[in-house]
Amino acid sequence: EIVLTQSPGTLSLSPGERATLSCRASQSVSSSYLAWYQQKPGQAPRLLIHGASSRATGIPDRFSGSGSGTDFTLTISRLEPEDFAVYYCQQYGSSYTFGQGTNLEIK
Amino acid sequence: QVQLVQSGAEVKKPGASVKVSCKASGYTFTSYYMHWVRQAPGQGLEWMGIINPSGGPTSYAQKFQGRVTMTRDASTSTVYMELSSLSSEDTAVYYCARGGSSSRGSFQHWGQGTLVTVSS
Repeated sequence: EIVLTQSPGTLSLSPGERATLSCRASQSVSSSYLAWYQQKPGQAPRLLIHGASSRATGIPDRFSGSGSGTDFTLTISRLEPEDFAVYYCQQYGSSYTFGQGTNLEIK
Repeated sequence: QVQLVQSGAEVKKPGASVKVSCKASGYTFTSYYMHWVRQAPGQGLEWMGIINPSGGPTSYAQKFQGRVTMTRDASTSTVYMELSSLSSEDTAVYYCARGGSSSRGSFQHWGQGTLVTVSS
C-alpha cells in the first residue's frame, strides 16, 4: 500500500499570503495519479487538482499542483478567507489512499 | 447536474449491520465507477472500496474484506454499501463518491455523507 505523508500538519497563514502544502509518497505514484481535495467542516470533500497538476472544473487559478514520482505540492498563490480548510492528497495509481491532511488555519 | 443523494443517519448496536444507499442522477449511471469513503469523527478520509455500476467486479480495501459488501441497482441508479459486525470504531460519516470512467480516477462528485453511529 502506498502511504502518503502530508506536511505540515497545521499551517497558520494570513489572507493574501502564499500557502505551500506537501505530500510525499512511500513509493512512486504511477502516471501522476495524484489528487488534492479541500474539506470544510460539515461538508464533503471537494476535488481541486487531479493528475497532479490539472485543476478540476470551477477551481480558481490561485490553486496549482505540481510534482511527480514521490513528491507533490499544492500551492495557493494568494489566500482568500474561504481557503482556510483541511486539505488532503490522494493517490489513485495503485488502489486508493489518502494523506492524513493539512489543516490550513488563519493566523 | 450530477447529484449523489445518500440515505439518512443511522444508529446501530455493536455487532449489527448497516446498509447505506447512494442515488445518482444527472449522468449515465453505468458509465462511471463509484467509491465509498469514510471519515471517523475528527479524523481523515479512508477509502473503503469501488464498485462498477455496469456490473463488473467490486474491489474492497483489505481492512474491510469480509465485512463490506457493495452492490448496485441499475434500474434505480443506486449503489449500496453494507458493513457488518459493527463496532464503535465504525462510527463515522460514510460518503459515496463518483470516480472516473475507468477504475483509475479522482473523485469529482461526492454525496452529502451519512452518519453511522455505533453505540450500545
